[in-house]
Amino acid sequence: AQTVTQSQPEMSVQEAETVTLSCTYDTSESDYYLFWYKQPPSRQMILVIRQEAYKQQNATENRFSVNFQKAAKSFSLKISDSQLGDAAMYFCAYRDDKIIFGKGTRLHILP
Amino acid sequence: NAGVTQTPKFQVLKTGQSMTLQCAQDMNHNSMYWYRQDPGMGLRLIYYSASEGTTDKGEVPNGYNVSRLNKREFSLRLESAAPSQTSVYFCASSDIWGDYGYTFGSGTRLTVV
Repeated sequence: AQTVTQSQPEMSVQEAETVTLSCTYDTSESDYYLFWYKQPPSRQMILVIRQEAYKQQNATENRFSVNFQKAAKSFSLKISDSQLGDAAMYFCAYRDDKIIFGKGTRLHILP
Repeated sequence: NAGVTQTPKFQVLKTGQSMTLQCAQDMNHNSMYWYRQDPGMGLRLIYYSASEGTTDKGEVPNGYNVSRLNKREFSLRLESAAPSQTSVYFCASSDIWGDYGYTFGSGTRLTVV
């Protein structure tokens, strides 16, 4: 069965600094999709970024980018110029026929 | 642009009571899902419906039933609530493959006492 592991339950970063959230996954498939979701205190699940496994190029959305290492089954999220509004729980997710979520990393932004 | 609408947002039940969580989407999506979120556990799939007329069990289906009423609506029923079902419940929808991720409702916080 596919699994998604986020090894950092909590992280903190100074405002305006850069932070990287780690994620590894386990699969025997070659074609799949990976996602990062953000859950702020409002509880709403917000899609941050999406990566197609067959694409070598790392996805980027404004201040958010990923480092996708397919052979290592690693999918980390980098947040540049961290802002107070980035404080949230972040979930890494893998999609085969359904989306499987990691347990999340709570990110604190220090002013 | 309502997206995915869940009702209610909050609910308190007594052990043994029943209730139905409602979910509706207006994005013409084929697939719908119910997840539960517990502290330290991430989101776990309860049931899903790949298309109208079909439902399948996810990772944690025990104690729940679902109904795909039509393409828009997918309800989750707790027949006899237990304290272990205290959780935040999310409904989500996607196109049939979910290649672009899921769109989530705002969640229902359920407490069973």
